[in-house]
Amino acid sequence: DAGITQSPRYKITETGRQVTLMCHQTWSHSYMFWYRQDLGHGLRLIYYSAAADITDKGEVPDGYVVSRSKTENFPLTLESATRSQTSVYFCASGGDRAGQPQHFGDGTRLSIL
Amino acid sequence: AQSVTQLDSQVPVFEEAPVELRCNYSSSVSVYLFWYVQYPNQGLQLLLKYLSGSTLVESINGFEAEFNKSQTSFHLRKPSVHISDTAEYFCAVSNNNNDMRFGAGTRLTVKP
Repeated sequence: DAGITQSPRYKITETGRQVTLMCHQTWSHSYMFWYRQDLGHGLRLIYYSAAADITDKGEVPDGYVVSRSKTENFPLTLESATRSQTSVYFCASGGDRAGQPQHFGDGTRLSIL
Repeated sequence: AQSVTQLDSQVPVFEEAPVELRCNYSSSVSVYLFWYVQYPNQGLQLLLKYLSGSTLVESINGFEAEFNKSQTSFHLRKPSVHISDTAEYFCAVSNNNNDMRFGAGTRLTVKP
């Protein structure tokens, strides 16, 4: 089935550890996005990618790293997790206009102890 | 950068009643406006969008929103809500520069 798959759905880790959140889309959309959702803030853009090997920072990129070696995959890595990065993370994709996500994954709920 | 304010964090309403979810934006340039809906434990789904042309846009499930440039608003309305409309609704603004900004969300609760 076409769509966006995020893994894992839930993750608990400790401060200082590295953690990678995976995102895979089958739409062949050129644009992919990572957002974090926190109560009272709505969604905030972390990083986005316009195509394979092209990535750029969003509103809140500090502490995160992304890569996009293939069009369909867009992993997000927290190199040294901090408690402030406890959040729900959403991956999204879009094809027709820059900055406009059309389809979202179901999210990864990340808790950092 | 552009910004969005959703004026109500929670809106309780009875089934079959009308509802309006308010959204105001600020931007120094032309914008595109969006409403997304989020059901529990799911990602956001695009409900409707204004890009250009007619200022009144509609979704397939009975919602509509009107772009009002003079009032910088993009309120979402439905004349008669159903229990299944219970969800979180997000207004968003973009100026086509990869910088979409979301509001904090409005939780719509439809009661029987």
